Amino acid sequence: DSGVTQTPKHLITATGQRVTLRCSPRSGDLSVYWYQQSLDQGLQFLIQYYNGEERAKGNILERFSAQQFPDLHSELNLSSLELGDSALYFCASRPQDTGELFFGEGSRLTVL
Amino acid sequence: ELKVEQNPLFLSMQEGKNYTIYCNYSTTSDRLYWYRQDPGKSLESLFVLLSNGAVKQEGRLMASLDTKARLSTLHITAAVHDLSATYFCAVTGANSKLTFGKGITLSVRP
Repeated sequence: DSGVTQTPKHLITATGQRVTLRCSPRSGDLSVYWYQQSLDQGLQFLIQYYNGEERAKGNILERFSAQQFPDLHSELNLSSLELGDSALYFCASRPQDTGELFFGEGSRLTVL
Repeated sequence: ELKVEQNPLFLSMQEGKNYTIYCNYSTTSDRLYWYRQDPGKSLESLFVLLSNGAVKQEGRLMASLDTKARLSTLHITAAVHDLSATYFCAVTGANSKLTFGKGITLSVRP
């Protein structure tokens, strides 16, 4: 158990819908990262937050947004969902800007 | 833009034999990580390599880092079935962003 909690574990929804994925980092970790893993694209970095502020952006679509709240949990919002958004979404945390990432179990999103 | 390449992408290993897999990266970095992922599961941290020449060993796995060559190797000694998984390397780039390779899927056969 990495200490990073993600909910929901599985989510099935329809095209055009909107979903929110939630992540609670390890106790004391200030940085939260979101990654998307699909079969054809591998592990893609989406966005990073550090202590409530956006720190880095990767290949995140405009239909996707995220935030980190004062209690350090983070949410990833995916809207106008398309079939191609079906993937495993991982959240990871680390204490500061260095050190290894600790990954949650992931949220598997299926868009039908 | 930092690129991380792993090869081969798939490796079928025979039980009991030794193998080496590679991770190359394109820009200077002194921090490299190896992760393991079982199918449908999360990523588990294996090694953190923090400096040139760093070598870490855990069980049948040994990882090393050559920052001058921008290369890390993961050596597998006497492969066993339990080592079957996908192994990712990741490198820290700008803004502390961790960039992952595509992963190498190892399959150990009897």
